[in-house]
Amino acid sequence: NAGVTQTPKFRILKIGQSMTLQCAQDMNHNYMYWYRQDPGMGLKLIYYSVGAGITDKGEVPNGYNVSRSTTEDFPLRLELAAPSQTSVYFCASRDSGTQYEQYFGPGTRLTVT
Amino acid sequence: AQKITQTQPGMFVQEKEAVTLDCTYDTSDPSYGLFWYKQPSSGEMIFLIYQGSYDQQNATEGRYSLNFQKARKSANLVISASQLGDSAMYFCAMRVNGANSKLTFGKGITLSVRP
Repeated sequence: NAGVTQTPKFRILKIGQSMTLQCAQDMNHNYMYWYRQDPGMGLKLIYYSVGAGITDKGEVPNGYNVSRSTTEDFPLRLELAAPSQTSVYFCASRDSGTQYEQYFGPGTRLTVT
Repeated sequence: AQKITQTQPGMFVQEKEAVTLDCTYDTSDPSYGLFWYKQPSSGEMIFLIYQGSYDQQNATEGRYSLNFQKARKSANLVISASQLGDSAMYFCAMRVNGANSKLTFGKGITLSVRP
């Protein structure tokens, strides 16, 4: 299993540009999540999904959109990038069952200038 | 709302000694889970240990143990026999069961292991 994969690893965007961060998992997990981690801080939830076709907002959803057309993929879309979106973005997934941990991807480091 | 508090400044420990990383939490839900993750300088998030609110015994995983004190709402991570590779950021996180499995993270604690 590759686990949770994210692309790209690094990206520099200009203000106002758009991009999609890709996330895929091959563990057949229903639950998937997007977090952002600002320097020196913990992770904050952007969006999450409990299954294909079902998404919901987390703590900091403004400026982002998601879709979940398959179990495997959970892309995060940034529209009109702003400097405040400079962060490291983590995708995670987990199996059903409350005791299971989330598996994290390696992260995408995004800089908006 | 759920909250995780990690207030220790950067922690230092001598190699081979034990260290405790503090975590307090706040929730009104009786059913929840507590997690610890390690984030080395390479950036990935590595799961270490889990404790359920109804678990009778403190969780242990190798050199990691969780000192769970429910009445005090604390879930401290104990690392025994520290190794140089333990130098990293450590995050405590909580999931309230039924809340679509969302994790709430603390701000993290930096641990440095001295040779």
